[in-house]
Amino acid sequence: TQLLEQSPQFLSIQEGENLTVYCNSSSVFSSLQWYRQEPGEGPVLLVTVVTGGEVKKLKRLTFQFGDARKDSSLHITAAQPGDTGLYLCAGGSGNQFYFGTGTSLTVIP
Amino acid sequence: EAQVTQNPRYLITVTGKKLTVTCSQNMNHEYMSWYRQDPGLGLRQIYYSMNVEVTDKGDVPEGYKVSRKEKRNFPLILESPSPNQTSLYFCASSRRERYGYTFGSGTRLTVV
Repeated sequence: TQLLEQSPQFLSIQEGENLTVYCNSSSVFSSLQWYRQEPGEGPVLLVTVVTGGEVKKLKRLTFQFGDARKDSSLHITAAQPGDTGLYLCAGGSGNQFYFGTGTSLTVIP
Repeated sequence: EAQVTQNPRYLITVTGKKLTVTCSQNMNHEYMSWYRQDPGLGLRQIYYSMNVEVTDKGDVPEGYKVSRKEKRNFPLILESPSPNQTSLYFCASSRRERYGYTFGSGTRLTVV
């Protein structure tokens, strides 16, 4: 069962462009997190959002949690080659934790 | 340095030969979890533990065992590995689920 659907699955953009990645579910989550993963390495936590409607900013990255706590978005402003990687959303439901299938981002210099 | 340490990083083994992948964290986290990552399937939870001696099945527990005898350690045991367990495995720990997980660097397992 895939609780978290991410879109797009792949994204290739030029340096300096803006982009948005979406994470959607039919389930309500008590918290939702975004991670970035580089090839062959473990995911690294970027942010946790816990309140419906919450917006968090991390330099050029803006994260938003939907009002109903079922969806989230990640917006990157002026993407840089260092932003290249696999972006994963993840949510907790009860004692289990689920990951989306990820968005593979490539930023071309 | 706060970290989750997995060993080994790479492992090639034969079908049926028991193996253990170790995981240790130095952050005094209560929650620990094992995931496997496969192309097209993403990260799937194998087992998780909420505290010492408390473990439970995740989405794909078949063929795996875990134990949590100490807070810092959470080994993953494959009693009789099969080729369909070839995968990239991650151990992760967390103070509480809502605070997010710290992941290890991964163990790439190949079963031939």
